Amino acid sequence: QSALTQPASVSGSPGQSITISCTGTSSDVGGYNYISWYQQHPGKAPKLIIYEVSNRPSGVSNRFSASKSDNTASLTISGLQAEDEADYYCSSYSDTDTLVVFGGGTKLTVL
Amino acid sequence: EGQLVESGGDLVKAGGSLRLSCAASGINFNHAWMSWVRQAPGKGLEWVGRIKSKTSGGTIDYAAPVRDRFTVSRDDSKSTLYLQMNSLKTEDTAVYYCATDLPMHCTHGICYKSWGQGTLVTVSS
Repeated sequence: QSALTQPASVSGSPGQSITISCTGTSSDVGGYNYISWYQQHPGKAPKLIIYEVSNRPSGVSNRFSASKSDNTASLTISGLQAEDEADYYCSSYSDTDTLVVFGGGTKLTVL
Repeated sequence: EGQLVESGGDLVKAGGSLRLSCAASGINFNHAWMSWVRQAPGKGLEWVGRIKSKTSGGTIDYAAPVRDRFTVSRDDSKSTLYLQMNSLKTEDTAVYYCATDLPMHCTHGICYKSWGQGTLVTVSS
């Protein structure tokens, strides 16, 4: 069982917006602003799309945005495109016995 | 971006050992805080461990499931990261990725901008 909780799947039509949640505790998501989001296409390595809650690395589309409220982080993808269909993972710094915790992943289907 | 290339994955029996390598290029490896992340077949990502740069003290942190069995090390002269895995269990079966925040910089070095392609470790019973 993953330390951070994400919905197993979400879906949306091209052009729509979707939001993926990532729920943790005060020991990770709620206590620190070291939350990252990754996109992973089948058979590929993950790609960093958001770091430190809401920052986008250079080259990442501004259709990706993120935020945090209390113990829940959220990733929003606007203007859905077919290429956005992938698995999405959140991660956070943790002050427990494991430095970094990941969510279980969310499969995004673009209808 | 940096290039990371893992190697050493193999089929091994439970209780056995294996050493993975991750060769880095295009990044200032001496200053890189390097991590291992794994992904069991069809499952999510799981953090394994991180080693800081020697200039930052070289501290190593491990995930609870692998502590006392796995050892992360580095050879800066070869720009190579290692993962020594002992007392392997079937649940260690996964693709193992090395990763780093470089060429960016994130607090604690735990936002992973550069990834290798992964190497598959299969532990049989």
